[in-house]
Amino acid sequence: DAGVIQSPRHEVTEMGQEVTLRCKPISGHNSLFWYRQTMMRGLELLIYFNNNVPIDDSGMPEDRFSAKMPNASFSTLKIQPSEPRDSAVYFCASRMEIRGTEAFFGQGTRLTVV
Amino acid sequence: AQSVSQHNHHVILSEAASLELGCNYSYGGTVNLFWYVQYPGQHLQLLLKYFSGDPLVKGIKGFEAEFIKSKFSFNLRKPSVQWSDTAEYFCAVNGNNRLAFGKGNQVVVIP
Repeated sequence: DAGVIQSPRHEVTEMGQEVTLRCKPISGHNSLFWYRQTMMRGLELLIYFNNNVPIDDSGMPEDRFSAKMPNASFSTLKIQPSEPRDSAVYFCASRMEIRGTEAFFGQGTRLTVV
Repeated sequence: AQSVSQHNHHVILSEAASLELGCNYSYGGTVNLFWYVQYPGQHLQLLLKYFSGDPLVKGIKGFEAEFIKSKFSFNLRKPSVQWSDTAEYFCAVNGNNRLAFGKGNQVVVIP
């Protein structure tokens, strides 16, 4: 398996624009997580899905952020409109929901909003 | 929801020194515990994990961690660090399938 695949790897956009980040989890994994990493706040859990259903979105910063998982092999994180303070590295991770299994991380998307 | 605390965010030490990173968590139920490592510019990778059995867990690259249930702790140790251990280290707790991370420890090993 190629692991968790995220795209794009880097994104530079202007304030106010819509940004869509994409994630393909490892085949067979039924949990998917979106994290945001910044120097100030560390690694924050934004939302996680189980069997394509959002379970906990309490970490989503505000209404400008939305996430979807239309099927087991694809998820998106959308920011609309984007702001400079959204600049961060966004990681997607997936795992099989069996006790003791770890999450596997993608390479991340480095987002810069100017 | 569970939370994870990591202390001493920045650690600087010389090669061959011993390393210990503290991790405390809060969660009332059964937990799985993990340490991940993030090398500069890379994604998070698993170092080791605990979910049952021997509370002393050995991971890759000579790392080990001890789960002390009474203290809600899962501290990471390495007896002798190398320059290549320069990285950020994250403790994580999985409770009820919600995987929460600490803020990380930035470790710099000086040759």
